Amino acid sequence: DQQVKQNSPSLSVQEGRISILNCDYTNSMFDYFLWYKKYPAEGPTFLISISSIKDKNEDGRFTVFLNKSAKHLSLHIVPSQPGDSAVYFCAASAKTGANNLFFGTGTRLTVIP
Amino acid sequence: GAGVSQSPSNKVTEKGKDVELRCDPISGHTALYWYRQRLGQGLEFLIYFQGNSAPDKSGLPSDRFSAERTGESVSTLTIQRTQQEDSAVYLCASRSHYNEQFFGPGTRLTVL
Repeated sequence: DQQVKQNSPSLSVQEGRISILNCDYTNSMFDYFLWYKKYPAEGPTFLISISSIKDKNEDGRFTVFLNKSAKHLSLHIVPSQPGDSAVYFCAASAKTGANNLFFGTGTRLTVIP
Repeated sequence: GAGVSQSPSNKVTEKGKDVELRCDPISGHTALYWYRQRLGQGLEFLIYFQGNSAPDKSGLPSDRFSAERTGESVSTLTIQRTQQEDSAVYLCASRSHYNEQFFGPGTRLTVL
């Protein structure tokens, strides 16, 4: 049972435009959410996170939005750059510092120069 | 080292053989995780170590899988009598006091 879902396996965006990656979750106990970026042949690297007490967290070109009532979060990248091309994983945990993260299946972002 | 390291980077084995995968976490990180990613799927939690506490083995898919960790250092994941469905990238991650987990590059296991 996939508790974290990323329904779009791939996304292509023109350089300079906004990339929006979506993530849905089913477990209402999740209260901490993270986005990871993964390049081929490398492990995932942490990108940005958000606690359930917030609905938005911004870090440079990256902003994560959380809609708890819809159990939905999204990652916005603006402006998108070719170096952003990677697989993006959404992850969630049931409490801060929890044993494990539940990951989505990932969305492959391609930024076209 | 500066990051989490894993060895080997690639492992090809025959069905039925045992394999051992190694993870060196970031120095000082008390928590260590093992995940695997099978083709076309997300990351699947396997096992978690936190200090001297009993590990959380709830993600191990079968009793062919086991893992050990010596103190707060190296961990080894052992898969006995490998099956073709064990083929995956096995990722190790470590964490300090914050929630971000830092991942190693993974070991790509192929069972023929």
